[in-house]
Amino acid sequence: NAGVTQTPKFQVLKTGQSMTLQCAQDMNHNSMYWYRQDPGMGLRLIYYSASEGTTDKGEVPNGYNVSRLNKREFSLRLESAAPSQTSVYFCASRGDRAGAYEQYFGPGTRLTVT
Amino acid sequence: GDSVTQMEGPVTLSEEAFLTINCTYTATGYPSLFWYVQYPGEGLQLLLKATKADDKGSNKGFEATYRKETTSFHLEKGSVQVSDSAVYFCALRFSGNTPLVFGKGTRLSVIA
Repeated sequence: NAGVTQTPKFQVLKTGQSMTLQCAQDMNHNSMYWYRQDPGMGLRLIYYSASEGTTDKGEVPNGYNVSRLNKREFSLRLESAAPSQTSVYFCASRGDRAGAYEQYFGPGTRLTVT
Repeated sequence: GDSVTQMEGPVTLSEEAFLTINCTYTATGYPSLFWYVQYPGEGLQLLLKATKADDKGSNKGFEATYRKETTSFHLEKGSVQVSDSAVYFCALRFSGNTPLVFGKGTRLSVIA
């Protein structure tokens, strides 16, 4: 099993450019999440999706949009990138069966906006 | 709202030293508590968890006990190794589909 995969691994954008970060999981999980990680700030939740067809805002949603394309895939879009969005982005997923406490994380996408 | 507070790092220890990373939480109700570890260049991995008061989670020599009276979940290891160098995150979550709430992370460096 690949677990949670993210593409790309690295990306450099100019201010105002757009891009989509891709995430896919092969564990048949209902819940998926997007976080950003910044030095001294820990992980902050951007958006999450409790099931296919639903999405909810997290702590820092401004400047981002998401799409839960199907049960496997959850993408994050930056419509007009800003330097403040320079960060490492992590996707995660979690199952819903009783006792399924663990969130599984992807390897991350390191984004630099100049 | 719900929150997690961890001791600030970085923490630098010599190999075989005793490790404690403090974690306290603020929450209404009784969440499940977690420690995640992030090795350099990787995503986060679950290290251990506890789902109710007085539960002790353990893994790879690390332990943490869910203390309801002090709202704490401190991470301990009796003898650290260089390979334990990583960033450690304390987190909480309530039942259902609620996302994890993370602390800011504590960077640990272990020197030989």
